[in-house]
Amino acid sequence: EAAVTQSPRNKVAVTGGKVTLSCNQTNNHNNMYWYRQDTGHGLRLIHYSYGAGSTEKGDIPDGYKASRPSQENFSLILELATPSQTSVYFCASGDEGNNQAPLFGEGTRLSVL
Amino acid sequence: GDSVTQTEGPVTVSESESLIINCTYSATSIAYPNLFWYVRYPGEGLQLLLKVITAGQKGSSRGFEATYNKETTSFHLQKASVQESDSAVYYCALGPWSGTYQRFGTGTKLQVVP
Repeated sequence: EAAVTQSPRNKVAVTGGKVTLSCNQTNNHNNMYWYRQDTGHGLRLIHYSYGAGSTEKGDIPDGYKASRPSQENFSLILELATPSQTSVYFCASGDEGNNQAPLFGEGTRLSVL
Repeated sequence: GDSVTQTEGPVTVSESESLIINCTYSATSIAYPNLFWYVRYPGEGLQLLLKVITAGQKGSSRGFEATYNKETTSFHLQKASVQESDSAVYYCALGPWSGTYQRFGTGTKLQVVP
């Protein structure tokens, strides 16, 4: 069954600390995405990838890095976490083509104190 | 830029009543965008509810329907009779998923009460 798995599901971090959010997909999709969702905003794109070794900046990349070491895995890295990065983060994977509808993970709730 | 606006929640509806969640879009850079409804049930990730890629067409799933109306730039979500299990957050989205193009609405929290 097609799946996108995120870990951890919940994370509490300290300001200035490093945080890594992981995403694994078993769908053999080329494209993967990281979003954050905050009250009053729709999901906003942070980084995305077209395949292993590829990372691209989304609409709000500042303060975030991404890594795509393999087809299956896509990580989001907060090198110096700040309280403004407290949010719910979603990973998604999708096929190429204009008609794709990506599959989403269950989300990671991150609190930066 | 292109955007999506949807009904601000929360929305509370009694079981077996009808539901409409409004979604309107602005698409200036693509003539015929793709339109989606995603749903997030408590404790779960977003799931695709329905999508329509052709203007004038209707999509349906799990009793929900939405029609892609290019004239009114709308994609309203409707259901004739809601159930408690429909309680969730509903997101309208604009595609295609190409680079940074896609846009989401802010989500509408629906609570169905007995």
